[in-house]
Amino acid sequence: ETGVTQTPRHLVMGMTNKKSLKCEQHLGHNAMYWYKQSAKKPLELMFVYNFKEQTENNSVPSRFSPECPNSSHLFLHLHTLQPEDSALYLCASSQVSGTTGELFFGEGSRLTVL
Amino acid sequence: GQQLNQSPQSMFIQEGEDVSMNCTSSSIFNTWLWYKQDPGEGPVLLIALYKAGELTSNGRLTAQFGITRKDSFLNISASIPSDVGIYFCAVPGRGGATNKLIFGTGTLLAVQP
Repeated sequence: ETGVTQTPRHLVMGMTNKKSLKCEQHLGHNAMYWYKQSAKKPLELMFVYNFKEQTENNSVPSRFSPECPNSSHLFLHLHTLQPEDSALYLCASSQVSGTTGELFFGEGSRLTVL
Repeated sequence: GQQLNQSPQSMFIQEGEDVSMNCTSSSIFNTWLWYKQDPGEGPVLLIALYKAGELTSNGRLTAQFGITRKDSFLNISASIPSDVGIYFCAVPGRGGATNKLIFGTGTLLAVQP
């Protein structure tokens, strides 16, 4: 139990579907992140939110749309995805100031796009 | 962009053996982090290095900078079955941002009881 909860744990969707991934952190952190983990590739940073403001969009296609309504919740809205988007999507949180590089990750949402 | 290469890609060892893995980059970094990902879980920070030449221990784990600061090493002594997982190194992203980490390719460790 890391204090970061992701739902759903598994998601299968067609290329024309619209779905959302949800992340909630109970650690009092003020920064939240989305990472993509594909087989045989390093973790890729997708988005960073500091105090609910997006500070990083790592050239992510617009079919991925993040939303951060408050410091504790982060969503990733998915629409018209491609099969190559199948991956494990990891949410993480941390403190913004004086950060030591310690990110607290959730267990991930395993996405399969058919 | 910056790439971190980890070796070996995978290791299959017997319980009780010592393990050594490394991570190399093309640039100098003054912060090196080692994370472990258990099966079905997200990565967890194991050890952080913040000072050149530093050697840091966390129980049976020891991490250190390489001489050039373009690499780092992680050693595990007397491995046990729960050491199984994927080990990732990480460094700060652009401008030294420790909240925008770059992760390595990972080393998969399997421990035979």
